[in-house]
Amino acid sequence: RKEVEQDPGPFNVPEGATVAFNCTYSNSASQSFFWYRQDCRKEPKLLMSVYSSGNEDGRFTAQLNRASQYISLLIRDSKLSDSATYLCVAMNTGFQKLVFGTGTRLLVSP
Amino acid sequence: GAVVSQHPSWVICKSGTSVKIECRSLDFQATTMFWYRQFPKQSLMLMATSNEGSKATYEQGVEKDKFLINHASLTLSTLTVTSAHPEDSSFYICSARDWETGLTGELFFGEGSRLTVL
Repeated sequence: RKEVEQDPGPFNVPEGATVAFNCTYSNSASQSFFWYRQDCRKEPKLLMSVYSSGNEDGRFTAQLNRASQYISLLIRDSKLSDSATYLCVAMNTGFQKLVFGTGTRLLVSP
Repeated sequence: GAVVSQHPSWVICKSGTSVKIECRSLDFQATTMFWYRQFPKQSLMLMATSNEGSKATYEQGVEKDKFLINHASLTLSTLTVTSAHPEDSSFYICSARDWETGLTGELFFGEGSRLTVL
């Protein structure tokens, strides 16, 4: 079983739609979590950190449920420019290592 | 924000040759840099943790004699793929954290280096 699991998608949605991605992690020792965005053939870029209390940044909302070892990302009012692969990432404190999920591909169409 | 630069972006080489990839932190000091590899449609896999002034720590299954890592200064780490073979063709990405921000600081990624071995 992979340490961080995501539905690879693709998720095809129209502009303006709301879309949610889920992610589960198996290592209960993971301390920090992030969502990264990766465009085709580019490096990942940090989208947002994920906190137990939930956090929101504009159209993006991230949630963490430690009891269920579950992370989510909600994108509201999807834009064409949101088309990318979204990577769920867990960090194991002490070793500073990031463990990446395989990513969920989002395609937003006009 | 902090910038991590990788070079070269693209490299094509013949089987059996060695390729060096450089990773530089441009406006901050990085005592630790990380090297990842990403095959098509797969997730980034950590290869090794590069520590300034000491030996790199390799992940299980990564051959240290094949993937040589040197972290000679606080702003430069290099990955050398020795005797490259077609199966080494991949996207190699480095990342670094500004040591002043500690473990909670954002991890910045280089632009990646796409290696194709013929």
